[in-house]
Amino acid sequence: GQQVMQIPQYQHVQEGEDFTTYCNSSTTLSNIQWYKQRPGGHPVFLIQLVKSGEVKKQKRLTFQFGEAKKNSSLHITATQTTDVGTYFCAGYGAGSYQLTFGKGTKLSVIP
Amino acid sequence: DTGVSQNPRHKITKRGQNVTFRCDPISEHNRLYWYRQTLGQGPEFLTYFQNEAQLEKSRLLSDRFSAERPKGSFSTLEIQRTEQGDSAMYLCASSSGQGASADTQYFGPGTRLTVL
Repeated sequence: GQQVMQIPQYQHVQEGEDFTTYCNSSTTLSNIQWYKQRPGGHPVFLIQLVKSGEVKKQKRLTFQFGEAKKNSSLHITATQTTDVGTYFCAGYGAGSYQLTFGKGTKLSVIP
Repeated sequence: DTGVSQNPRHKITKRGQNVTFRCDPISEHNRLYWYRQTLGQGPEFLTYFQNEAQLEKSRLLSDRFSAERPKGSFSTLEIQRTEQGDSAMYLCASSSGQGASADTQYFGPGTRLTVL
């Protein structure tokens, strides 16, 4: 079955440093989504990427979808304490409504 | 609040008992999903409804689990003869199924199940 892998599993950064998490799928994805889950909370949708090579920005967050539609990345510039949480990528396989999540990258920001 | 709601928020039960959870999706969302999440893991897909039809089920979903969405609105997830391994957060999500944001899933707060 489809597998989605994320690295790193944990990342500790000093406030103001940049942060990147990487996502790789075992199969080609029709689209990829990113979610953020705060401690004790539920996943909250951030963005969806559909096109090969697509890049989208949300303020300090930059999302990329690979040319082969099998990998993606999330980059946060100048992290803030409000960025703390676990970031998940998730993808739909072709012709499926099953959204497969990675294990997530847990971000800690040291003030 | 027009978001996804789930009840109860917490459930503690003894091994072997049956439990039922309820999910109320965002109004007019025709797609509804159930997930299970354990500590340190991402949400794991369980099942998917399009209106009242259950169109996909995970191969990991044992026959002790059953889900319904009788009128295409709220959904219930029942676990029969609970086992300690069923302890997890059960998340419900819904999406509109229409337009550019058709696949954007909005998650509820979850029901945390503890099986003693």
